[in-house]
Amino acid sequence: QVQLQESGPGLVKPSETLSLTCTVSGGSVSSSIYFWSWLRQPPGKGLEWIGYVYDSGSTNYNPSLKSRVSISVDTSKNQFSLKLSSVTAADAAVFYCATALRSASHYMDVWGKGTTVTVSS
Amino acid sequence: DIQMTQSPSSLSASVGDRVTITCRASQSISNYLNWYQQKPGEAPQVLIYAASSLQSGVPSRFSGSGSATDFTLTISSLQPEDFATYYCQETYSISWTFGQGTKVEIK
Repeated sequence: QVQLQESGPGLVKPSETLSLTCTVSGGSVSSSIYFWSWLRQPPGKGLEWIGYVYDSGSTNYNPSLKSRVSISVDTSKNQFSLKLSSVTAADAAVFYCATALRSASHYMDVWGKGTTVTVSS
Repeated sequence: DIQMTQSPSSLSASVGDRVTITCRASQSISNYLNWYQQKPGEAPQVLIYAASSLQSGVPSRFSGSGSATDFTLTISSLQPEDFATYYCQETYSISWTFGQGTKVEIK
C-alpha cells in the first residue's frame, strides 16, 4: 500500500517561493497507474486541486495557479515536489499530496496527512 | 471551467437519519464524480468514485447516484462517526474542481 508524507518549511515570506516535497513509500513514483497530485485547503475553507505530475515528468496544473506552479518528480529519491512562486497571505493553507488513479474516475485514493504552510514576514 | 455546486452547505441530523447531499455540475461530466469525507484535522478519504462505486472498506450505508449534471450522496442511517464534511469532485475536465463542501452536524 502506497503511503505519502509531505515535508517542507512551515513558514514562507510573502513574494518568496513555497517548496514542498512528498515522499512515497510502498510504491514507486515511476508507476504509471497514478497521477501524483498536490492539493491545498486554506484555513476553514474547501479543497483546491493544484496539479499533478505523471510519466516521470508530464504535468497538468490548475489554470488559476498555472503561472506560479511547478510540480516535478525525483525518481532517485522516490519523491515528487511542489513549487509555488510569489506567494501571498492567500496561499496559506494545509497542503496535501495524493495519488489519483489514472483509471476509473481519477479518484484520489491515498493522501498524505497534510502540512500547514503560513505566509508571513 | 466546470463549477460544482453542493447543497446544502450544512445540515443537522440525528443518528439513524437518512441523509442526502446533492452536487450539481455546470455542464455534463458523465460519471466523473467522486465523493470524499473529511473529519477535522484529517485528510479527506474517498467514499464513492465514478458516481456510484463504493470504495473498498467504506460502509454500505454510503451510496452514490447520478450522471451528467446531477449527483447524490446518500447515507442510509447516519452513524456517530459520519459527522464530518463531505465534498464532491469532478475529474471530467482538465482542471479538477471540488464542490464547496457540506458539513454534517449533530442535531
